[in-house]
Amino acid sequence: NAGVTQTPKFRVLKTGQSMTLLCAQDMNHEYMYWYRQDPGMGLRLIHYSVGEGTTAKGEVPDGYNVSRLKKQNFLLGLESAAPSQTSVYFCASSYLDRVTDTQYFGPGTRLTVL
Amino acid sequence: SQQGEEDPQALSIQEGENATMNCSYKTSINNLQWYRQNSGRGLVHLILIRSNEREKHSGRLRVTLDTSKKSSSLLITASRAADTASYFCATDATIYNQGGKLIFGQGTELSVKP
Repeated sequence: NAGVTQTPKFRVLKTGQSMTLLCAQDMNHEYMYWYRQDPGMGLRLIHYSVGEGTTAKGEVPDGYNVSRLKKQNFLLGLESAAPSQTSVYFCASSYLDRVTDTQYFGPGTRLTVL
Repeated sequence: SQQGEEDPQALSIQEGENATMNCSYKTSINNLQWYRQNSGRGLVHLILIRSNEREKHSGRLRVTLDTSKKSSSLLITASRAADTASYFCATDATIYNQGGKLIFGQGTELSVKP
């Protein structure tokens, strides 16, 4: 199993450009999440999904959109990138199980917006 | 604001010593988890403790939970240089209706010197 994979690993954008980050998991997990990690801020939840075709807002959703067309994929879109979106983005997934609630993380995407 | 707050923010010890990190949170929880993040990598789940448990062990890790004080501690015994990483606590707050949403603290950066 590859677990959770993210593409790309690095990206540099200019202000106003758009891009899509792809997250894929091969563990048949129902739940998927997008976080951003900034120095001194820990991880903050951007959007999440509790199943194919569903998405919901997290703590910091502004400026981002997501889609979950297939159970194994969760896409994060930036329509018009801003320097404030410079961050490291992590995708995670978990089972539909409140008892365990363990999340499995991808390796991250380092995004710089100039 | 963050649900979990780790203390200390940074900890430097010698190999063989024990490392203790603390986490405080604000609202009632279902469970509390600890994750490790090596530099430049994604988070890896270490241990989960449920709200009705007081202590849990996993190898060299010992986690305690005091729900009356809304706090948890992670003890790493006989530390090794390979334990150098950032450690995050994460809580599954009961205020959320859907399972799987975790709130992460800002992390403790542990450095173990050989």
